[in-house]
Amino acid sequence: GAGVSQSPSNKVTEKGKDVELRCDPISGHTALYWYRQSLGQGLEFLIYFQGNSAPDKSGLPSDRFSAERTGGSVSTLTIQRTQQEDSAVYLCASSPQGANTEAFFGQGTRLTVV
Amino acid sequence: AQSVTQLDSQVPVFEEAPVELRCNYSSSVSVYLFWYVQYPNQGLQLLLKYLSGSTLVKGINGFEAEFNKSQTSFHLRKPSVHISDTAEYFCAVSTGTASKLTFGTGTRLQVTL
Repeated sequence: GAGVSQSPSNKVTEKGKDVELRCDPISGHTALYWYRQSLGQGLEFLIYFQGNSAPDKSGLPSDRFSAERTGGSVSTLTIQRTQQEDSAVYLCASSPQGANTEAFFGQGTRLTVV
Repeated sequence: AQSVTQLDSQVPVFEEAPVELRCNYSSSVSVYLFWYVQYPNQGLQLLLKYLSGSTLVKGINGFEAEFNKSQTSFHLRKPSVHISDTAEYFCAVSTGTASKLTFGTGTRLQVTL
C-alpha cells in the first residue's frame, strides 16, 4: 500500500481479555515503531524494530505487552489481560533506514477497555 | 538517554501573528531533531528535520526551526499563522539509526480570528 496501515481502526474489549493490534509498514522500510497516545499525553514510546537488530523494548510498560515483527515486515502488538489504563490510541510508524529518516505514521488503533 | 521537553502544552495565538513553539532536548551525543504535526483527527506528519549542516531548517507550510547546540534547543517558528495551522505539534529527537525516536508531550497551537 501507499502508507502505513493499522488494523483494526477501533477496538473495544472487556477488561481481562487479550488483544492484538496489527501494523503493515511501508514496503522496504527497515524501521518500525509502536507508540501509545493517551488523551492529553504525548507519544509514549513502546518498542522499536530496526532491521535484523534486537528490538528496543525499553518502552513496554509491563510484561503484559509484547510485540513481534515477522519477516521484517508486518508487526503485531499484543496486550494480554487488558486493563482500563491500557485505553489509548496505539500508533505505528515506519521509516526507510531508522531514526535519522522520516517516520511515516499510520492512523492508529483506538483501544477502549471496558 | 535522550529526552525532549516541550514546556508549553498550549499556545493560543491570533491569526496572522507570529508564533514560536519551544523544544529543548537532552542528549550526551549528537542528535537528529524533528518536528511533527498532528491535525485534528489525522495522523502525524513531518514538518521539518535537522540532521546536519545549516542550523536553520525550513519545512512545509512556512514553518522553520533553528538548532541551537549551546542551548540544546530546536524551537519552531512561523512569522504569520493561519487558522489552518491549528494542530498539535510534537518535537522529537534521535541519536542515530540504531536509536529510537523520542517525542515530547506536544504543544497544542490554537489559532483564532
